[in-house]
Amino acid sequence: EDQVTQSPEALRLQEGESSSLNCSYTVSGLRGLFWYRQDPGKGPEFLFTLYSAGEEKEKERLKATLTKKESFLHITAPKPEDSATYLCAVADLNAGGTSYGKLTFGQGTILTVHP
Amino acid sequence: DAGVTQSPTHLIKTRGQQVTLRCSPKSGHDTVSWYQQALGQGPQFIFQYYEEEERQRGNFPDRFSGHQFPNYSSELNVNALLLGDSALYLCASSLIFRDIPSSYNEQFFGPGTRLTVL
Repeated sequence: EDQVTQSPEALRLQEGESSSLNCSYTVSGLRGLFWYRQDPGKGPEFLFTLYSAGEEKEKERLKATLTKKESFLHITAPKPEDSATYLCAVADLNAGGTSYGKLTFGQGTILTVHP
Repeated sequence: DAGVTQSPTHLIKTRGQQVTLRCSPKSGHDTVSWYQQALGQGPQFIFQYYEEEERQRGNFPDRFSGHQFPNYSSELNVNALLLGDSALYLCASSLIFRDIPSSYNEQFFGPGTRLTVL
């Protein structure tokens, strides 16, 4: 069974204090790893897709990296508006049937950036 | 370009009742997936619809059922509501490239429907 574990559960940073969020995963075959941002009471907002180990993607102050067992979301010089819950999810290559879409999510990391 | 829309925004029901939630996918998308998100947890996969058929199902009882219409919109039905069904219900849409079966397309989520069961 696919498993995704995110750490830490909560992270409090000062504005400008860089840090990383971790996503450890177990899948039989990785089709893709996804990062989403979720604001309170809203749906997840897509950030990145990573497909293979060694791949990196960047967007503004965020950079996502991928190894065979985990992914990191690096936040450089964060601002208060980066405060949100960050979700990691995986799609399994061997999900079976005609599945194209099941995502298995971690529980999320709640990021708070203080001014 | 319209994103994923869901209705209603909020819903309050009592135990034993039935509820129907609705979702319209992002323009150009043909696949709809439904997720349940309990407070403080990540979303859990309920099922996915493509070409008006349920393609995969998560670990949810038969009380949860769905439908996809020819215009790709979808409904989620929950019968015999339990207190534990209280959650944010999320709809996500994507596009499948049939000639690239190994490809995967990102899922885009709607704002969700907050269901409260009393």
